[in-house]
Amino acid sequence: DTGVSQNPRHKITKRGQNVTFRCDPISEHNRLYWYRQTLGQGPEFLTYFQNEAQLEKSRLLSDRFSAERPKGSFSTLEIQRTEQGDSAMYLCASSSSKQGIYGYTFGSGTRLTVV
Amino acid sequence: AQSVTQLDSQVPVFEEAPVELRCNYSSSVSVYLFWYVQYPNQGLQLLLKYLSGSTLVKGINGFEAEFNKSQTSFHLRKPSVHISDTAEYFCALLTYSGTYKYIFGTGTRLKVLA
Repeated sequence: DTGVSQNPRHKITKRGQNVTFRCDPISEHNRLYWYRQTLGQGPEFLTYFQNEAQLEKSRLLSDRFSAERPKGSFSTLEIQRTEQGDSAMYLCASSSSKQGIYGYTFGSGTRLTVV
Repeated sequence: AQSVTQLDSQVPVFEEAPVELRCNYSSSVSVYLFWYVQYPNQGLQLLLKYLSGSTLVKGINGFEAEFNKSQTSFHLRKPSVHISDTAEYFCALLTYSGTYKYIFGTGTRLKVLA
C-alpha cells in the first residue's frame, strides 16, 4: 500500500491553458475526494466519487472544472481556461465505505500556479 | 451550520517552550475532530483525532488535544516544541451527509524560534 498518489506535484501554466491532474487512491478504497487549498486557507471540499459515480459537487466547482473517475480507480481533475484565481494546492483523498470514518487518507497534493 | 474556527493565524514560540493552538467548532450533531499538520509544499499529515471516549487524545510527535464539549473546543498542546515543529496546523471537523467530508479551519502557522 503506497498511499494516495498525486501527479504532478507541481504545475505552472499560463492563464487560459487547460490542465489535468491525476489521483491514484489506495487500491481498496472505493471513495475518492478532491479538495482545494488556496493560500492562507484550509482545504475546501470540491467533489466526491463513490466508485465511478460522481455523487456530490461543491458550488466551488465552476463549469471550467471537471472531474472523472472512469473505472472507479484513478481520478482526473481538469481545469479549462485557467485563471489566476485557480492557483492553489489540489488535494485528493480516498476512503473505504467499509471503514466508515477510519482510513480517510490524503495525498501530497498538486500545487498549481497560473501565471 | 457546522464550522471550525482557529483563533490564531500565527503563533511564535521559543524552542523547548510549551504551546497551545486553539480550535473551536460549531456543530449540532456528534463530532469527529482532527488535527492535521502541513509542512511547506506538502500534503496533510494526521496528528491526532477525537472520535469518542476519552476527551484527552494523544497523537504523534508529542502532541495532545483535549475535547471540551461545553466550550466546543479542541485545543492542541505540546509541552516542549522543537524547531522541526514549525509548520501549518489545521483543525478539522468530519461531517456526514451521504459521505464523510472535512470542514477545515483556516490554519495556524506555528513558528518555533531558536
